[in-house]
Amino acid sequence: DADVTQTPRNRITKTGKRIMLECSQTKGHDRMYWYRQDPGLGLQLIYYSFDVKDINKGEISDGYSVSRQAQAKFSLSLESAIPNQTALYFCATSSGGDLNEQFFGPGTRLTVL
Amino acid sequence: AQSVSQHNHHVILSEAASLELGCNYSYGGTVNLFWYVQYPGQHLQLLLKYFSGDPLVKGIKGFEAEFIKSKFSFNLRKPSVQWSDTAEYFCAVCKYSGGGADGLTFGKGTHLIIQP
Repeated sequence: DADVTQTPRNRITKTGKRIMLECSQTKGHDRMYWYRQDPGLGLQLIYYSFDVKDINKGEISDGYSVSRQAQAKFSLSLESAIPNQTALYFCATSSGGDLNEQFFGPGTRLTVL
Repeated sequence: AQSVSQHNHHVILSEAASLELGCNYSYGGTVNLFWYVQYPGQHLQLLLKYFSGDPLVKGIKGFEAEFIKSKFSFNLRKPSVQWSDTAEYFCAVCKYSGGGADGLTFGKGTHLIIQP
């Protein structure tokens, strides 16, 4: 079984719709992250959470919000989707500390029409 | 703000050729360095990482990378590439602030194509 799972894996939606992407992990890590990947731009950090009560904005948080429902769950929401939010979204986890090696989920491909 | 630069966006090599992908970062403090690989249609997987100690680190599948602090570089190398190495390669840096380790800053990636 995968350690980091994301649902849905693919989603097509229309401009203005609210969308939630979910991430779950069984690694027992405290830290969770959301990134988006665009062709030619690499991965950009949207939000990250060091524990259930700690949420931090990343490089490109505008237009997004997150919820850390439990240690194992971290959701990303687009309150009103727009076409330039079409991208591949990755969730990642890490145990933090000196290592901070991050483990990635399989990604969610989101298309906003 | 820190940044990560990958020198080549697209690289095409023949099988058995040697590979070197460049990566430079701009942050002057303590950093951890990573190379991730993304095979077509798959998620990111860790190739190798540097935290401290020997600046030459070895990863999976015959890859290695050398950390040169004076040059702010962490170049990825492989002596002889295979067709199965065709993938997107990302260099990433994690810096440390007063609160501990932050998220990763990624380079824009290098798309490597190995021709049979």
